[in-house]
Amino acid sequence: DTGVSQNPRHKITKRGQNVTFRCDPISEHNRLYWYRQTLGQGPEFLTYFQNEAQLEKSRLLSDRFSAERPKGSFSTLEIQRTEQGDSAMYLCASSFSMGTGGYTFGSGTRLTVV
Amino acid sequence: KQEVTQIPAALSVPEGENLVLNCSFTDSAIYNLQWFRQDPGKGLTSLLLIQSSQREQTSGRLNASLDKSSGRSTLYIAASQPGDSATYLCAVPTGANSKLTFGKGITLSVRP
Repeated sequence: DTGVSQNPRHKITKRGQNVTFRCDPISEHNRLYWYRQTLGQGPEFLTYFQNEAQLEKSRLLSDRFSAERPKGSFSTLEIQRTEQGDSAMYLCASSFSMGTGGYTFGSGTRLTVV
Repeated sequence: KQEVTQIPAALSVPEGENLVLNCSFTDSAIYNLQWFRQDPGKGLTSLLLIQSSQREQTSGRLNASLDKSSGRSTLYIAASQPGDSATYLCAVPTGANSKLTFGKGITLSVRP
């Protein structure tokens, strides 16, 4: 297993366009998390899944954001009608739901909305 | 609501110095605490994970301590090197393997 994989690494889009990011977690991990990080800030929680069930969504996740994990493996995060304020690093992490193993993060997707 | 604070926001030290990075949290009922390193424009790399029942964890030149009762953790870096220059973040979960609350991080610069 090569860890948590995120694609693309970078995305530049025009305001108003839709974008979709993908995250492939560590295969044995049943929990998957999405975070958003802006410059000079720590990552902020967006949503997380246990298997295919979305267990929690942050108030940061407006109705323009949607996340899925259809088969309990990879996940996608879609942003519709992007705004300049959506420019950020989007980070994915995975973990076990039980035990004390901690969290593994991917390299992130850097979104720039112009 | 859990809040995590890391002060100062930035630190510059000469190479070879031993240094301590601080992290404080408001709710002491934590399951664990994790320290991460983040290089510019990159994702997070896990450095150390301390369980709530532990007082410290060590990995190479890094040592992290945890004092739940006072709501504090420290990351000790021995004999700092320019390659240690990065942002260091601490984070605590709201429940067992649940979402993490992060501090804003400390940006460390080690001068040759």
